[in-house]
Amino acid sequence: DAGVIQSPRHEVTEMGQEVTLRCKPISGHDYLFWYRQTMMRGLELLIYFNNNVPIDDSGMPEDRFSAKMPNASFSTLKIQPSEPRDSAVYFCASSRTWTEAFFGQGTRLTVV
Amino acid sequence: AQTVTQSQPEMSVQEAETVTLSCTYDTSESDYYLFWYKQPPSRQMILVIRQEAYKQQNATENRFSVNFQKAAKSFSLKISDSQLGDAAMYFCAYRKLHTGANSKLTFGKGITLSVRP
Repeated sequence: DAGVIQSPRHEVTEMGQEVTLRCKPISGHDYLFWYRQTMMRGLELLIYFNNNVPIDDSGMPEDRFSAKMPNASFSTLKIQPSEPRDSAVYFCASSRTWTEAFFGQGTRLTVV
Repeated sequence: AQTVTQSQPEMSVQEAETVTLSCTYDTSESDYYLFWYKQPPSRQMILVIRQEAYKQQNATENRFSVNFQKAAKSFSLKISDSQLGDAAMYFCAYRKLHTGANSKLTFGKGITLSVRP
């Protein structure tokens, strides 16, 4: 298995632009998590899905953030409009029920 | 709500020595999993070890072992014979067992471990 695949690995964008981060989970995993990592706040859970359904989006910082999972093999995290404070590493992770999560390599987002 | 606390932001160990990283958590659940993840400079998150709360025996993976104290809600990671490649950020994580869809994976803030040659 190729593991969790995220794209792009790096993204630099201008303030106000729309940013879309993509994730392909491991086949057969029924949970998908989106995390954001910064020096100040550590690893924050933004949202997670179970069987493509959003279960808890209480970590999404504001309405500028949205996430979708149209099918079991694809998810997106969108920021519109982006702001410099959104600069962080964004991780996608997937798991089977109750077990450990497997992480992608992350997307480093820089908003200038 | 479940919380995971790693109170030491940084630690240092001499190569070949042993180091223990601390973690405490807060939960009202009786059945759950605990994990330690390693994040080297490459930023890839790697599972080091996991512990099921219903198991009394402490988990061990080669040079890595845990001290799981359920009553004290403590879950420390011991690294024996430290190697330069162990230098990384280490995260403690909690996940409750739930028959429904509610199965959040919560992380502590992490601890940066440096290994002195």
